[in-house]
Amino acid sequence: GQQLNQSPQSMFIQEGEDVSMNCTSSSIFNTWLWYKQDPGEGPVLLIALYKAGELTSNGRLTAQFGITRKDSFLNISASIPSDVGIYFCAGPGGANNLFFGTGTRLTVIP
Amino acid sequence: SQTIHQWPATLVQPVGSPLSLECTVEGTSNPNLYWYRQAAGRGLQLLFYSVGIGQISSEVPQNLSASRPQDRQFILSSKKLLLSDSGFYLCAWSWGAGQPQHFGDGTRLSIL
Repeated sequence: GQQLNQSPQSMFIQEGEDVSMNCTSSSIFNTWLWYKQDPGEGPVLLIALYKAGELTSNGRLTAQFGITRKDSFLNISASIPSDVGIYFCAGPGGANNLFFGTGTRLTVIP
Repeated sequence: SQTIHQWPATLVQPVGSPLSLECTVEGTSNPNLYWYRQAAGRGLQLLFYSVGIGQISSEVPQNLSASRPQDRQFILSSKKLLLSDSGFYLCAWSWGAGQPQHFGDGTRLSIL
């Protein structure tokens, strides 16, 4: 079945540092989505990517749709304490749903 | 704009008791609706999805059931809860297949 592998599983960084995480798929996607989940809340959509090679920014966040269409990357610049949370990648799967990655847990140390 | 509401936010239930979690969406019509469960510190497990009134697809065999009595209402139920039903339950909606899903705030269910 479809697998989405996210790495790293967790990150501990100092406030102000940049963050990079990625997601790889066992098959080709035509859409990549990145979500953030704050503790005790539902995931919130950060960035949606629809074209191979696409680079999209949302404030300090930048995501890229890999040219192989089997991977995607999320970068956070100049991290701040409120960046803490779990970041999920997702892509279309099955007839009507999404596959979600296993998540990257980010901790920002003030 | 579209909004999604889940309630209750937290719930503590004894083993063997029934369950009913409700989710409603406003500001759209004929959305796809989803129920997920998330164990502590883990990823999202899709439980059910629905593409229309009365249409339910189950992704994993389990002790739970779902119903969609109205276009923008999705209900997660159980007749007898098990300890293993504990978790964080999330409802989501989307415009259709492959489209971004938008999540509610979740229900934290604890089984005693």
